[in-house]
Amino acid sequence: AQSVTQLDSQVPVFEEAPVELRCNYSSSVSVYLFWYVQYPNQGLQLLLKYLSGSTLVKGINGFEAEFNKSQTSFHLRKPSVHISDTAEYFCAVSGTGRRALTFGSGTRLQVQP
Amino acid sequence: ETGVTQSPTHLIKTRGQQVTLRCSSQSGHNTVSWYQQALGQGPQFIFQYYREEENGRGNFPPRFSGLQFPNYSSELNVNALELDDSALYLCASSGNSLQGETEAFFGQGTRLTVV
Repeated sequence: AQSVTQLDSQVPVFEEAPVELRCNYSSSVSVYLFWYVQYPNQGLQLLLKYLSGSTLVKGINGFEAEFNKSQTSFHLRKPSVHISDTAEYFCAVSGTGRRALTFGSGTRLQVQP
Repeated sequence: ETGVTQSPTHLIKTRGQQVTLRCSSQSGHNTVSWYQQALGQGPQFIFQYYREEENGRGNFPPRFSGLQFPNYSSELNVNALELDDSALYLCASSGNSLQGETEAFFGQGTRLTVV
């Protein structure tokens, strides 16, 4: 079984400031890791994914995440946020064999002018 | 936009009724997964279909059932609706995992309200 913990339910930040959204996971098997973004009244859009290889993963819209196996973390970062980044962000994990995703409870990123 | 289409977009049902939600998967994808997202929470896995067979199920009661058709589109059926079934229902399609395709593409969801 897998689980995902997103440590912050809300993160307020000013425009052009850096941001980090934290994600920790637990699993007894090898995993794939994902970050999704959800805008109001919409489905989920994939930001980035870690499957194997380099632990630093770059995604869309200037986001990146670093996989840390020893700390079982997969934190999402962006060096400079925009108003349009305001959304709900979900960290998710799946086993390498089965594709079902286990999601965290989400982090609401609120970018203020 | 992904190629995953869900219908209807919104639905209001009465407690005890039955509902069917539909999902058209992205072209070339043979796997469909359904998720329930209650307000303010992350999506919860309901079940997954691969080539018309159920291929995994989450912690949901049997009144949640599904189908996948030869064209890989899918239905989610919920019987005896309860107030707690009110949620956004998300469908995700993905390709052949045996070929190493790992990304799931989500539809816009169906907002179900049970009154």
